[in-house]
This record gives sequence, C-alpha cells and structure tokens, in this order.
Amino acid sequence: DAKTTQPPSMDCAEGRAANLPCNHSTISGNEYVYWYRQIHSQGPQYIIHGLKNNETNEMASLIITEDRKSSTLILPHATLRDTAVYYCTVSGSARQLTFGSGTQLTVLP
Amino acid sequence: NAGVTQTPKFQVLKTGQSMTLQCAQDMNHNSMYWYRQDPGMGLRLIYYSASEGTTDKGEVPNGYNVSRLNKREFSLRLESAAPSQTSVYFCASRNYGTVVSGANVLTFGAGSRLTVL
Repeated sequence: DAKTTQPPSMDCAEGRAANLPCNHSTISGNEYVYWYRQIHSQGPQYIIHGLKNNETNEMASLIITEDRKSSTLILPHATLRDTAVYYCTVSGSARQLTFGSGTQLTVLP
Repeated sequence: NAGVTQTPKFQVLKTGQSMTLQCAQDMNHNSMYWYRQDPGMGLRLIYYSASEGTTDKGEVPNGYNVSRLNKREFSLRLESAAPSQTSVYFCASRNYGTVVSGANVLTFGAGSRLTVL
C-alpha cells in the first residue's frame, strides 16, 4: 500500500468548511483513497473513500486530484463534534494496511 | 450486529506477566488486524491475518504473537509484558481480496487499554 502524508494539525472555525489535505504520491492504479476519523481514543471510524472521481456522502466530500497524487477531505459545516484525528490511507490489492500519523482537527467555537 | 468486539477493555499487568487480547467479528470478514496506538501517536500495525489460516508480521511485531483461531476470532498474545507495551490496542477487520469499491473498508473495535507496570 502507498504511504500518505498529512499535516499534523489544523484548526477550523465552527460552521466553516474544514479542508484536510493528504498526499499519496506513490498511489498505484488500483488503490482507493480511504478516510477515517478517531474521536478521543475511540476506535477509528470510516468516513468516505474514492478512486478517481470526487465523492460525497452524508458526512463529507472527497476531492481527488486528476493525477491521483493527493486528495482533500471536506467537512462542509464543521461542528465541535468533528474535532478528531483524521487519517488518510490508501488500499488496493495488498494485504497489509498501514496508517500515517493523521491530522488533529480542532474545531473552534 | 456487534461488529468487532475486543476483550478485555482495560488491563493492568506487571512486567513479565503474559496475557491474551481477544478479538471477534461477526461480519464474515476474511481479514483481521491488530494495531497499537501510543499516546499522541498514530496507529501502527502489529500483525495481520489476510485470511483464515494465515498470519503475517506488520510494522511492530516484536514481543507479540497472534492466533487466527477461526474466521471470526483473532487473538494477540504478550508472552512477557514490558512497560514499552503500554498502549491502546485496536483490532480491525475487512474483506481483503477485491478492489470492488468499498470492499476494503476497515471496521475497528473499541480498543483494549493495556498498562504494564
């Protein structure tokens, strides 16, 4: 699986959009981009995933660049409950699945 | 549908003691994983089992052993606990083996918090 790079921390004002970047420059053609988040010390939870096209669900939007080397997770209207560590990972046919250090998002009132 | 269940939730050990962390999933997933998370750090892969009957080392396997008891259960054993193994341990599962969209989504348990004195 390709490795990912994320900024260690970001702040966002409540009600504003939070845009979390992820670099995955070594991603291969059959690998999907997955995003998870971890609130406090709970088990991480799946948010969204994508291959090439932009994706949207009830939680977030995922924008993947045309060359697929980076992506951005967008929380359109961040709330205090969105304060968490956000992990970007890529996964395809490899059996192993590793995570980077993630981004600590703090939503400020 | 319980998802991924880990036991125990909390455990305190003395240096040199042994223990086994249990993990069970009811989603018929073929792959299971054990991660550890130290305070303020990300997830590090200890061992994984891509399918029943197979296990492989991850990033930080030293000091641990695993057993894939059946398709549902994947246990992690500390034979001689050390203070450096104080951590939160997460078990996860997914359906590995296909690139069908969404098939690789990991489901995590709630974690097992281990303190080694």
